[in-house]
Amino acid sequence: DAEITQSPRHKITETGRQVTLACHQTWNHNNMFWYRQDLGHGLRLIHYSYGVQDTNKGEVSDGYSVSRSNTEDLPLTLESAASSQTSVYFCASSEWGDVLTFGAGSRLTVL
Amino acid sequence: GENVEQHPSTLSVQEGDSAVIKCTYSDSASNYFPWYKQELGKRPQLIIDIRSNVGEKKDQRIAVTLNKTAKHFSLHITETQPEDSAVYFCAASESKTSYDKVIFGPGTSLSVIP
Repeated sequence: DAEITQSPRHKITETGRQVTLACHQTWNHNNMFWYRQDLGHGLRLIHYSYGVQDTNKGEVSDGYSVSRSNTEDLPLTLESAASSQTSVYFCASSEWGDVLTFGAGSRLTVL
Repeated sequence: GENVEQHPSTLSVQEGDSAVIKCTYSDSASNYFPWYKQELGKRPQLIIDIRSNVGEKKDQRIAVTLNKTAKHFSLHITETQPEDSAVYFCAASESKTSYDKVIFGPGTSLSVIP
């Protein structure tokens, strides 16, 4: 069965360290998204991609970067982690105009 | 860019009563309006969606209405059950071929009291 997987599921890191969250989907979807979820803010879009070599900034992109070298993967990198980036991160994928399929989430704590 | 507001932020109803969640959006170009349900500790999952060429859509106990003129859309859950307890997110998107970006509201935490 097709799926979308995120790793790690839980991560604790220190301020200033670089962190990469992985997202891998086997749906063969062109569109991939990263959201962060914080209480009171819902799901906020960080970065998104419509295909290989395409990346775009979302609502809250400062301090984050992504790259899309193939259809299946969209890793999210925090260049220098900050306490304000403590959150639950969800990766999602879709075909155009279709349902977003979410991964299980990655809980990141920055100390 | 698109901005989606959602009310109320929390909602508590007795089992069997109806629940209504309301959302507004800002971008008149938005044409796709999904609703996602997120149970505690789980990932969000689509429960119903509506496109701009439709005013209302029903699926069993769930219905969504859309007023494009007023930029309002609402989720209606009838005969609520304890398993309806979750956080509900409305969202809006301008969906075109190869172009699709979904912006979410802040969520409504629904509690159904047995």
